[in-house]
This record gives sequence, C-alpha cells and structure tokens, in this order.
Amino acid sequence: GQNIDQPTEMTATEGAIVQINCTYQTSGFNGLFWYQQHAGEAPTFLSYNVLDGLEEKGRFSSFLSRSKGYSYLLLKELQMKDSASYLCAVFDSNYQLIWGAGTKLIIKP
Amino acid sequence: DVKVTQSSRYLVKRTGEKVFLECVQDMDHENMFWYRQDPGLGLRLIYFSYDVKMKEKGDIPEGYSVSREKKERFSLILESASTNQTSMYLCASSPGGTEASPLHFGNGTRLTVT
Repeated sequence: GQNIDQPTEMTATEGAIVQINCTYQTSGFNGLFWYQQHAGEAPTFLSYNVLDGLEEKGRFSSFLSRSKGYSYLLLKELQMKDSASYLCAVFDSNYQLIWGAGTKLIIKP
Repeated sequence: DVKVTQSSRYLVKRTGEKVFLECVQDMDHENMFWYRQDPGLGLRLIYFSYDVKMKEKGDIPEGYSVSREKKERFSLILESASTNQTSMYLCASSPGGTEASPLHFGNGTRLTVT
C-alpha cells in the first residue's frame, strides 16, 4: 500500500527553527508537495520538490531524498503566524496525489 | 491568482436529505477534485474530473456522486446524507496535462449531518 508518515504534532518557540519530517512509500514518484493549512482554512501551496536537494524560499526550505523516501520542511525565524498544520503530499506514478495526515505546529512565545 | 469558490462555508443537514456542494474555479483549469478532511486521516479523495462531463472515482466514492456540466463548476452530491458524512469538504483545481501542478483549494464547506 501507499503511505506517508508525518509527526502528528510539534511545538517550537517563536524565533527558533523547526524541521518537519515526511517519509513516504508510494508506487512511483513524480514529485512532493508541502502545503500549509491554518485552522478552518484551505491548504495553501508552499513548495514542490521533484529532484534531490534543498529548495529555499524565504524563511521556508524543503529538502528531498528520493533514495530514502524522505523529505523535510524547514521553517526558520518562526513567527506566531506559522502556527498551522503542514501537509506533505506525493504524486505517485499515475500522478495521483497521496496525502499525509499533516503535522500540527504549535508556536509558543 | 486562482480563485476556487465553494458555495457554503457551513451547512447543517438532516439524515436522509439530499445535499449539494458547489464549487467554481475561475482559471480555466481542466482538473477538479473533491476531498473530505477528517482529523488524523488527512485528505481523502472522493471524486475527480479531468474534463467536462468526465468523472473518476477516488478512494472513497461510496455515498457520493458528482456532476461537471461546465468546465468551471464541479458539484458534489450526497444522495442521502448520513451522520458519517459529517466532515470538512474541500474542492480543488489544477491545470491539465501530466506535469505535476499544485492544487488550488477552496475555503471548504464544513458539513454537519444530524
């Protein structure tokens, strides 16, 4: 079966750095997405990785290792507004999106 | 910016009622999707459509049907609502083709079936 694993919940301090991990086992791979979802709102696109390595976009970076079936989202200089759920999703060989259950990130002052 | 609009933010329906959830996108996207989101389960695909009048079952189609008569509109229908269909429903769209494109989501409809 296809599976994506993420931690259920993480807590971090304002101004700090946090890394949210995602491991996947899917039938094929055509890219990995990270989305942010604030409570009661729609998911919004953060990043897309299809090749190994680090993609940096401001305070957010996303890393991919296809050989390990592993990705992480790195958030720097955390702000209170970063409190949200972070969803990892993988396109499989048929371009079907497989979703993780999401990681709820709590930021404390 | 792509805008995906869902007709209702909150709905309360009774068991056995027929329920229509409407979704409209304004960017001429070929692909449209209906998901439900429940705590701890992540997003689960109900139905999707790659073209007008075309529909494909997702992972959990039972108890649901869809309609896509126009490219911009994708409707989800609960033929006879049940309490286990209480959930957050999210509509999304993306451009066509095989290239991986991010989904653009509507704000969701929180449906309660009593």
